[in-house]
Amino acid sequence: AQSVTQLGSHVSVSEGALVLLRCNYSSSVPPYLFWYVQYPNQGLQLLLKYTSAATLVKGINGFEAEFKKSETSFHLTKPSAHMSDAAEYFCAVRADTGGFKTIFGAGTRLFVKA
Amino acid sequence: GAVVSQHPSRVICKSGTSVKIECRSLDFQATTMFWYRQFPKQSLMLMATSNEGSKATYEQGVEKDKFLINHASLTLSTLTVTSAHPEDSSFYICSASTGLLQETQYFGPGTRLLVL
Repeated sequence: AQSVTQLGSHVSVSEGALVLLRCNYSSSVPPYLFWYVQYPNQGLQLLLKYTSAATLVKGINGFEAEFKKSETSFHLTKPSAHMSDAAEYFCAVRADTGGFKTIFGAGTRLFVKA
Repeated sequence: GAVVSQHPSRVICKSGTSVKIECRSLDFQATTMFWYRQFPKQSLMLMATSNEGSKATYEQGVEKDKFLINHASLTLSTLTVTSAHPEDSSFYICSASTGLLQETQYFGPGTRLLVL
C-alpha cells in the first residue's frame, strides 16, 4: 500500500523567499508522484509529476521537485515566492498495486507575506 | 490542455432530497473518472472509480446506494447523492484520466453541496 506524508500543515514565507514544501511517500512499487495546487473553492491543478524519468522535475509557475528514492522524498521548491503562490498544496502518490489509485497527502497551506 | 467541467458549481438542497452532480471531460475521452470528497481544510478522499460502461468501484466505507455513480459515456460521469442529509455537505471533486496507465488526472473545479 502507498501513503503520503506532508510535513507541516502550514508554511509561511516572505515574498521573494525560498519556498520548500516537504513530502515523503511510502510505496511498495515504483510510484508516480505528483504535486497539485488548489486555490479556494476550486479543483486541483497539476504543478508537476514524476514518472520515473528525470529525478528533478520542473513544473509550472517556477516550481520544481526532486525525487530522492533513498530518502523516499519528493519535496517541492520554488526559489522566489510570489503573493499569487498562496494556496493549498497537495502531494500525491500513484502506483500500480493491482489497480491504479491516487493517494493524497493532507495538504500544506502556503502563506506568502508581503 | 485537458479540461474537466462540473455542474453545478454549488447547490443547496433540503434534507431528504437527491442531488445530481455532472462531470464532463470537454476535449478528451476519459476512460476513467474518479470522484472525491473534500471536507473543509482536509485532503481529498477517493470515493469511487468509474470506468465507462461498467459499474463503479467504491472505496471502503462509501455507501454505493447513497452515492450513485453513472459513467454512461467517455465524456460524462454523474454522481447522485440520494436522500441527502446535512452530514453529506461537502466539496465534491471529480477527475478524469485517459490512457492505459492513467498517470495524469485532470480535475474538475468542484461542486459545493450544502444540505439544510
